[in-house]
Amino acid sequence: DIVMTQSPLSLPVTPGEPASISCRSSQSLLRSDGYMFLDWYVQKPGQSPQLLIYLGSNRASGVPDRFSGSVSGTDFTLEINRVEAEDVGVYYCMQALQTPNTFGQGTKLEIK
Amino acid sequence: EVQLVESGGGLIQPGGSLRLSCAASGFSVSDHYMNWVRQGPGKGLEWVSVVYGGGSTNYGDSVKGRFTISRDNSKNTLYLQMNSLRVEDTAVYYCARGGSISSLDHWGQGTLVTVSS
Repeated sequence: DIVMTQSPLSLPVTPGEPASISCRSSQSLLRSDGYMFLDWYVQKPGQSPQLLIYLGSNRASGVPDRFSGSVSGTDFTLEINRVEAEDVGVYYCMQALQTPNTFGQGTKLEIK
Repeated sequence: EVQLVESGGGLIQPGGSLRLSCAASGFSVSDHYMNWVRQGPGKGLEWVSVVYGGGSTNYGDSVKGRFTISRDNSKNTLYLQMNSLRVEDTAVYYCARGGSISSLDHWGQGTLVTVSS
């Protein structure tokens, strides 16, 4: 199985400041057709998870443009350029290249 | 509007069986790959199973041989038959729709399964 490793696991952020979450996969998530099978999800308090970023760097419908995803080999980064109070929650990366799909441990973003 | 509504959760003794349902609206389950994902109490997300548009299925190692995913296209509903339940199967179970290429683009609200004597 592909192992996904996130860091940090806890991320206190001041509103208006940027935030960055890292995720590393144990093997390449690049398929032969050029697609990178890495997604980012957020689970806000008391809610179901929701899709933020798909295929490494594509924002899902309705996701604010302050969220961005980037890729460098097997290293993935989710960036929030100006954190807002509503961004509180647990952020997960997930590889969708092969089953079983596997998630990172989650990063809990909280407001300072 | 895409909606997924899970039901069927509850309290069950170890070794028992339960069937979860996920009623879909706003799209056809036969046109998408459909997944179950679970979350144990205070834990992260764990992918459980998928059924593809063509009907093939796949499972996580922890549930293989005990859980069966299926769908009823006429009812536009996804199911998860869970047998030989264990205490460690206690979790909120979410159904999630697969996107056009990858990703889980819509999730239900979840249904809680508690396995305890």
